[in-house]
Amino acid sequence: QQQVKQSPQSLIVQKGGISIINCAYENTAFDYFPWYQQFPGKGPALLIAIRPDVSEKKEGRFTISFNKSAKQFSLHIMDSQPGDSATYFCAASRMNRDDKIIFGKGTRLHILP
Amino acid sequence: GAVVSQHPSWVICKSGTSVKIECRSLDFQATTMFWYRQFPKQSLMLMATSNEGSKATYEQGVEKDKFLINHASLTLSTLTVTSAHPEDSSFYICSARDNFQPQHFGDGTRLSIL
Repeated sequence: QQQVKQSPQSLIVQKGGISIINCAYENTAFDYFPWYQQFPGKGPALLIAIRPDVSEKKEGRFTISFNKSAKQFSLHIMDSQPGDSATYFCAASRMNRDDKIIFGKGTRLHILP
Repeated sequence: GAVVSQHPSWVICKSGTSVKIECRSLDFQATTMFWYRQFPKQSLMLMATSNEGSKATYEQGVEKDKFLINHASLTLSTLTVTSAHPEDSSFYICSARDNFQPQHFGDGTRLSIL
């Protein structure tokens, strides 16, 4: 029940295309859903996050779509650029309980120039 | 923004030695710090959670005597890998958080045991 399932494992997208990564969770007590971007040899950096009281959040080219009833959320990267090539992790936690973060297994995204 | 500094970024040492990794929150007080381990092409695995002034809480399967964690102040936590062996080689990442705020991650330490 603590798992966060992420797909696909790897993704190749043409420059300018839309990259879509999906995640699903089981624990309805989760109330914070962040996405992290990690470059090789670096720690993960918070990219964008959403709370379950909204269905969508957009920051620049990055959008999170959240479906509470389906217990799914996804990251959309519009106009994907080669600089977006990285590993992306979805995650979930209970901020109101100050709980640890549960990470998905990651998606390796490669944007073709 | 919140910055977490981790030092060293890369360390190579001989088998049997102990290695200390530092994690500092530079512009906020970290009531809670976390230590993760990451193998190549895998996700982050939480090793332990530490609160300032308290003993760390270790995840199941993580050896407390091998991975010593100290969180002596609100801005510093250390991870000491004792009697390190080649199987301890990995990427170690810390994160820090103020009460009920998102975690901020350091840039990791690559540990190589010869």
